[in-house]
Amino acid sequence: AQSVTQLDSQVPVFEEAPVELRCNYSSSVSVYLFWYVQYPNQGLQLLLKYLSGSTLVKGINGFEAEFNKSQTSFHLRKPSVHISDTAEYFCAVSAPNSGTYKYIFGTGTRLKVLA
Amino acid sequence: DADVTQTPRNRITKTGKRIMLECSQTKGHDRMYWYRQDPGLGLQLIYYSFDVKDINKGEISDGYSVSRQAQAKFSLSLESAIPNQTALYFCATSDLAGLAWFFGPGTRLTVL
Repeated sequence: AQSVTQLDSQVPVFEEAPVELRCNYSSSVSVYLFWYVQYPNQGLQLLLKYLSGSTLVKGINGFEAEFNKSQTSFHLRKPSVHISDTAEYFCAVSAPNSGTYKYIFGTGTRLKVLA
Repeated sequence: DADVTQTPRNRITKTGKRIMLECSQTKGHDRMYWYRQDPGLGLQLIYYSFDVKDINKGEISDGYSVSRQAQAKFSLSLESAIPNQTALYFCATSDLAGLAWFFGPGTRLTVL
């Protein structure tokens, strides 16, 4: 079975500062990894995904994430955040070879960008 | 048009009432899912369907039932709503390989 851990429930950061949102996963098989953003009162929007190949994945809105197989991590980063990045961020994993093709979500990290 | 639509978007109901949440998708995918979101818990899988004749329970199916009326439609029912079912509900669809996922805008359900 797969699991996802987002250790930080809330991350406050000042505008224009860098940010890293942490995601660790557990799986006995190879996985696909995803980051989603949820703005207040809205649905989920895909930021980026790792399927295979280059371990550094670039997404929308200046975000990027690095897949680290040895550390089973997929941390999300942005070098300079804006007020508009205030939202909740979810890491998710799916295991395409497990026969289930289900998403497992982390509990989310609420990013608060301060002026 | 949106890839995945959900109706209603908001619903307030009373304990004991029967509620149906509807989901439609235009992606032509066989696979559809219902998730529930609670603060601090992320999204939890309620039910999923890999085709019209295949329905499976997820992590938290107790108190819920589903109906897959067609490839494009997947409904979630609460037979007798209770207050702890107050949550944000998301419908989703995916391709066969699980590479492309599409989420609906969510239904905010409040059970008084």
